[in-house]
Amino acid sequence: LAKTTQPISMDSYEGQEVNITCSHNNIATNDYITWYQQFPSQGPRFIIQGYKTKVTNEVASLFIPADRKSSTLSLPRVSLSDTAVYYCLVGEAVYGGSQGNLIFGKGTKLSVKP
Amino acid sequence: EAGVTQSPTHLIKTRGQQATLRCSPISGHTSVYWYQQALGLGLQFLLWYDEGEERNRGNFPPRFSGRQFPNYSSELNVNALELEDSALYLCASSARQFANSPLHFGNGTRLTVT
Repeated sequence: LAKTTQPISMDSYEGQEVNITCSHNNIATNDYITWYQQFPSQGPRFIIQGYKTKVTNEVASLFIPADRKSSTLSLPRVSLSDTAVYYCLVGEAVYGGSQGNLIFGKGTKLSVKP
Repeated sequence: EAGVTQSPTHLIKTRGQQATLRCSPISGHTSVYWYQQALGLGLQFLLWYDEGEERNRGNFPPRFSGRQFPNYSSELNVNALELEDSALYLCASSARQFANSPLHFGNGTRLTVT
């Protein structure tokens, strides 16, 4: 199972770009990288997912280098409402297999200040 | 589409009692995952059900058990409750017929053991 390492916390100001990096040195060939956002007392919410290179959607970008041993979530122009915990998840649910215990790391607590 | 729903939202039990938590996945999703999140901590993987069977479980004692019904809804049972079982219990579902389908979480059941 690919273990992930993220910074425990990060501070930013409104309007800035925030980059959160996740290390996953033993990522497997079939593993995808998925990022989630969690607000207090709510379930995590899917942000973005990728396998390699760069993925962009309406809320974030995900950069994955060729060796896939790390990934960087990029949040453009953050606002106060982006204050949350961000989790990097690496793994897959193998159909018919014995895997699927998708392990979350400790997450990165992002605090956005005015 | 309706999201993952969990019931009850709050549950208060005394030590030694049993608790039953329920989860309804997104329509069409066959996989259900259960996570425990103690206050201020990350998500700890509990159980994974798919097509009615337990596919994997995390490092939790046997008094944590569950099942998945033919309509893919799921139930988590915690027997002989202990004070440290107080936590937010999160259920997630995914469409396992699509590899690496992201997890979709409910907002959890807050279990308090006194």
